[in-house]
Amino acid sequence: KAGVTQTPRYLIKTRGQQVTLSCSPISGHRSVSWYQQTPGQGLQFLFEYFSETQRNKGNFPGRFSGRQFSNSRSEMNVSTLELGDSALYLCASRPGGAIRTDTQYFGPGTRLTVL
Amino acid sequence: GDSVTQMEGPVTLSEEAFLTINCTYTATGYPSLFWYVQYPGEGLQLLLKATKADDKGSNKGFEATYRKETTSFHLEKGSVQVSDSAVYFCALSDIGGGNKLTFGTGTQLKVEL
Repeated sequence: KAGVTQTPRYLIKTRGQQVTLSCSPISGHRSVSWYQQTPGQGLQFLFEYFSETQRNKGNFPGRFSGRQFSNSRSEMNVSTLELGDSALYLCASRPGGAIRTDTQYFGPGTRLTVL
Repeated sequence: GDSVTQMEGPVTLSEEAFLTINCTYTATGYPSLFWYVQYPGEGLQLLLKATKADDKGSNKGFEATYRKETTSFHLEKGSVQVSDSAVYFCALSDIGGGNKLTFGTGTQLKVEL
């Protein structure tokens, strides 16, 4: 089975712009979560989508948003970019039910640099 | 809320040395516990997991035991290799947090010849 894929792998934007990142989960997985990784804050949960609905949300401003399509692929959008948004954005998928024992499988990430 | 505390890195070991990376947690419910590994320039890979007390997760020579009484999930390996050099993250998933992953700060391991 193919793993989680994320596109693009690298992105450079300037302050004030917006960006869209894409994630394709493992085939058959219906849940997609997004995490932000920075040297200062570590790994932080952004949000989770399941069956096209946001199921859980972390503590990030409204500039961060996402959606999920009927094929389970997900996109994440960041509007009005700030320097502090520079990070590795990781997507993870799992089969679906809100089960604490489920393993989340991560993609390689999108490295976003904001200048 | 949920939290994970890992020992500070970096940890530098000689090849074939014994490895321990400490991890303790705080959770409101009954969490599942995970160790993930991140190699340079890559995403996270699941190393092992345990879903209930006294469970031992193991993979590639690494082991960790879910200790509810001490709220710990320490990672061990009997003999490390240069190829084990990476950053290791302890994490938990708890129904109280909507089953999102809560991560520790990560511990960088460097193994030298």
